[in-house]
Amino acid sequence: DTGVSQDPRHKITKRGQNVTFRCDPISEHNRLYWYRQTLGQGPEFLTYFQNEAQLEKSRLLSDRFSAERPKGSFSTLEIQRTEQGDSAMYLCASSQRAGKDGYTFGSGTRLTVV
Amino acid sequence: AQKVTQAQTEISVVEKEDVTLDCVYETRDTTYYLFWYKQPPSGELVFLIRRNSFDEQNEISGRYSWNFQKSTSSFNFTITASQVVDSAVYFCALSEAINFGNEKLTFGTGTRLTIIP
Repeated sequence: DTGVSQDPRHKITKRGQNVTFRCDPISEHNRLYWYRQTLGQGPEFLTYFQNEAQLEKSRLLSDRFSAERPKGSFSTLEIQRTEQGDSAMYLCASSQRAGKDGYTFGSGTRLTVV
Repeated sequence: AQKVTQAQTEISVVEKEDVTLDCVYETRDTTYYLFWYKQPPSGELVFLIRRNSFDEQNEISGRYSWNFQKSTSSFNFTITASQVVDSAVYFCALSEAINFGNEKLTFGTGTRLTIIP
């Protein structure tokens, strides 16, 4: 098991473009989370999947954001019509029971919107 | 609403000194979990410890120790004999069990620790 993988590690895009990030969780983990971290802040919850079902979305997740987890395996996070305020580190985490077993985080995707 | 406060934004100590990072939390839940994560410059969040609300025993792991005090809603982290490799941002976090098994984490703003050689 190689842990949680995120791709790409870095993405620079022009304002208005669409971007998509991928997260591959630990294979036996049924819970998957996306967080966003801006400079000098702690990560903030964006959305939660249990298997393929997206069960919770934060108010931070505007309608320009969409996340999927087809077949309950990898997940994608797409941002449409990017804005400079979207520049952040996007972190993915997976768990079985987070409270019991903890989360495993990926290395993140750093997005810069220019 | 849950909240985690890390009042120390930045701390610098000379190598081999002991350092304590403070964490104060707020929650209405009776069952909750507290975490500490380390974030080195590479960006990955490295899990350090998890503590549930019913276990107030202090824990020691090598040079790391944690002091959980429910009475003051604090979960402080001490590094003994600090080393340069300890330089990182440290986050305290609280998990709440809300809907559909979602155990999202609420993070503090982090403490940037610099160990001076």
